[in-house]
Amino acid sequence: EVQLVESGGGLVQPGGSLKLSCAASGFTFSGSAMHWVRQASGKGLEWVGQVRDKPNNYATAYAASVNGRFTVSRDDSKNTAYLQMNSLKSEDTAVYYCTPWGGDFIDAFNIWGQGTMVTVSS
Amino acid sequence: DVVLTQSPLSLPVTLGQPASISCRSSQSLVHINGNTYFIWFQQRPGQSPRRLFYRVSNRDSGVPDRFSGSGSGTDFTLKISRVEAEDVGVYYCMQTTHWPPTFGQGTKVEIK
Repeated sequence: EVQLVESGGGLVQPGGSLKLSCAASGFTFSGSAMHWVRQASGKGLEWVGQVRDKPNNYATAYAASVNGRFTVSRDDSKNTAYLQMNSLKSEDTAVYYCTPWGGDFIDAFNIWGQGTMVTVSS
Repeated sequence: DVVLTQSPLSLPVTLGQPASISCRSSQSLVHINGNTYFIWFQQRPGQSPRRLFYRVSNRDSGVPDRFSGSGSGTDFTLKISRVEAEDVGVYYCMQTTHWPPTFGQGTKVEIK
């Protein structure tokens, strides 16, 4: 069974840091780019960033709203992707999802985890 | 960035009646390779998004055939032939033809 499990969310003060994890199973993790998407409460979906696979040199890309503060990475030996979030702002409060693109899957974003909630507040 | 504009933003429907959601793009979503990387998602209350269609009209596994996706270029439509109670939720369009990927605002489908 294909599964994605996000973890690491919680309450953090503005300016603080948090690292999210996305544990994958049931598919060839190393063959997919991994993306992060977030959703503020009652709001729409926002693409956050990606890390590509080894053949693409683990290249990363970010939304303008998080560029320079967030870092996406992966450990293929652990089938896990990460989202390091620094200099957090109240507007980063959201549920964060990870989702694969390519590899075993046709195109993008057909598998989603349950998400992990991040709350940035003093 | 490509802007996707969905309409309507709220869609009250009667059970058993059809429903239609439009998504218009600020630029053509035809990739240089000829494919159109356009996606529809469903998000039921309290759940994660679920992909319904990819490349405009390719239905994902398990998606009922009362759902259909169509369109080309800049104009796309999601139709539900006969709305059922389980179809309540928010529907999002998304494009991955151009970088960065972008989503529409979402259309909330509810039962009258």
